[in-house]
Amino acid sequence: TQLLEQSPQFLSIQEGENLTVYCNSSSVFSSLQWYRQEPGEGPVLLVTVVTGGEVKKLKRLTFQFGDARKDSSLHITAAQPGDTGLYLCAGLSGTYKYIFGTGTRLKVLA
Amino acid sequence: GAVVSQHPSWVICKSGTSVKIECRSLDFQATTMFWYRQFPKQSLMLMATSNEGSKATYEQGVEKDKFLINHASLTLSTLTVTSAHPEDSSFYICSARGGGLAGQIPYNEQFFGPGTRLTVL
Repeated sequence: TQLLEQSPQFLSIQEGENLTVYCNSSSVFSSLQWYRQEPGEGPVLLVTVVTGGEVKKLKRLTFQFGDARKDSSLHITAAQPGDTGLYLCAGLSGTYKYIFGTGTRLKVLA
Repeated sequence: GAVVSQHPSWVICKSGTSVKIECRSLDFQATTMFWYRQFPKQSLMLMATSNEGSKATYEQGVEKDKFLINHASLTLSTLTVTSAHPEDSSFYICSARGGGLAGQIPYNEQFFGPGTRLTVL
């Protein structure tokens, strides 16, 4: 069974702080996606990474795919209250199925 | 682009009844749709993969006779929770993946519906 473990599970920080969320697996994924989900809504895609070692930036968010395509990280610089939400990584297994990580619940305090 | 809708957004039903949830891709053709279940403060659990015109593929531990999936067209998939019980209460989310045709959604990118909250009394 393929598992994607995210750490930390919960994170509560002050506005302006930096943070990193990790997504780890023993399996190789052909691509990996990061989502943010707010309560009562569906996840919203933030980024897709495909190549081992790839780094993508989205404003204050930096995403990295591990060289072996087994892990990924999300770094947020100068967090804002609007960043609050559930962050989910999802790995593409084979060619069609997405496996979701365990999730990281982030709360940014003003 | 890449809008996925779900209907209804929430439903309350009595134990023993069946509930149908629709998932539609509004501006692209979805060769594959996925159905997920999410318990409060937890991640998404894949229930089944639905391909247009063929039988759904269910994940281990998901009862196919309990959760009926139909994918009759490239823009619509339905999930029917049969003989619902309180333990079926959950947030059900669908996603749709494009076919990769030129000008459409890149292959392997999935887009999510807003979810359906089911409460079984």
